[in-house]
Amino acid sequence: DAKTTQPTSMDCAEGRAANLPCNHSTISGNEYVYWYRQIHSQGPQYIIHGLKNNETNEMASLIITEDRKSSTLILPHATLRDTAVYYCIVRPSGILTGGGNKLTFGTGTQLKVEL
Amino acid sequence: DVKVTQSSRYLVKRTGEKVFLECVQDMDHENMFWYRQDPGLGLRLIYFSYDVKMKEKGDIPEGYSVSREKKERFSLILESASTNQTSMYLCASSSTGATNEKLFFGSGTQLSVL
Repeated sequence: DAKTTQPTSMDCAEGRAANLPCNHSTISGNEYVYWYRQIHSQGPQYIIHGLKNNETNEMASLIITEDRKSSTLILPHATLRDTAVYYCIVRPSGILTGGGNKLTFGTGTQLKVEL
Repeated sequence: DVKVTQSSRYLVKRTGEKVFLECVQDMDHENMFWYRQDPGLGLRLIYFSYDVKMKEKGDIPEGYSVSREKKERFSLILESASTNQTSMYLCASSSTGATNEKLFFGSGTQLSVL
């Protein structure tokens, strides 16, 4: 799996957009970018994933640069409940067998949303 | 709603005890995973299984074993618990059938070994 680099921590004011960056400069052509988050004392939760096009769902937007070496997760109107650790992960696409299905998590970005 | 259930939220054991952590999923997923999470180290993969009775070592399998006798259940076993195995343990599952399927996690078991 390609390695990812994220800032250790970020702060955001409630109601503002939270933009969380991720660097994955060694990503290969068949690898997707996934984002998960982990609220304190809970298991990680899937947010969004993408290959090369920008993606949006009810939770967030994912912007992937044209060269795919970095991406940004956007929470458009952050709330206090968005305070969590956010993980950026890359993994191969396609129907994977055996060990291909595992995800390797780094240490993520601690996002703190404040009033 | 999809569900991954871990049998205990908190567990306290003594050094040398045999410890079983149980995980059950109700989504008919082929893949199941055990991670541990420690402050500053993120989530680290211990073992995973992609089919009944199949298992593969993750990044930190030493001191652990696993059992998958039924598709819905994946057990993590600490044969002789040690204090350095005090940690948060997280179970997850995913499907192989669809492309790029996401992981579903349980709420975790905080294990303390005294």
